[in-house]
Amino acid sequence: NAGVTQTPKFRILKIGQSMTLQCAQDMNHNYMYWYRQDPGMGLKLIYYSVGAGITDKGEVPNGYNVSRSTTEDFPLRLELAAPSQTSVYFCASSQQGTNQPQHFGDGTRLSIL
Amino acid sequence: GESVGLHLPTLSVQEGDNSIINCAYSNSASDYFIWYKQESGKGPQFIIDIRSNMDKRQGQRVTVLLNKTVKHLSLQIAATQPGDSAVYFCAENGAGGNTPLVFGKGTRLSVIA
Repeated sequence: NAGVTQTPKFRILKIGQSMTLQCAQDMNHNYMYWYRQDPGMGLKLIYYSVGAGITDKGEVPNGYNVSRSTTEDFPLRLELAAPSQTSVYFCASSQQGTNQPQHFGDGTRLSIL
Repeated sequence: GESVGLHLPTLSVQEGDNSIINCAYSNSASDYFIWYKQESGKGPQFIIDIRSNMDKRQGQRVTVLLNKTVKHLSLQIAATQPGDSAVYFCAENGAGGNTPLVFGKGTRLSVIA
């Protein structure tokens, strides 16, 4: 059971570079989410999607973009990387929105120097 | 309990003792609650959930208690083991509908062998 798969696991970027964090789930879940987690802190929601073609902003969307062209994939794009975006990024999915547990990937550790 | 500052609160427990981790949730309209465990370098892992029509739910070595009157959730771990050392997050479904789960800031559990 693959569950939620995130790639890459680690990445170092220079300020101003761009990259896409990949997230794929094989559970046929409708809902997918992106969070960031700074050291010693909780999860902050960046963007989420309730189905293919639909995305919504979370608590901290600035500097990020997402798309949801398929049920399985939910990539997160950083266009102009900034040091403040150094964090661990987690992708999650759930069958429904608010009455089902979310299943998380193991994260992407991103450092911007 | 939940942190209101920048650092996670820490609970230190002797191996074999019972642990109680507390969470004060914010939205009286929440009707679904989850506890997650996050080990170092990994994504959050679902432990147990409870709906608002229940006051208590038991799993394997874990019990979740819900007090809706004071908006309080607790996770009890029986016979705490070194493998229980992790950060524990509570989450609530907040406004419901398509709104994602709202996560607390977490509590670090350290098990003393």
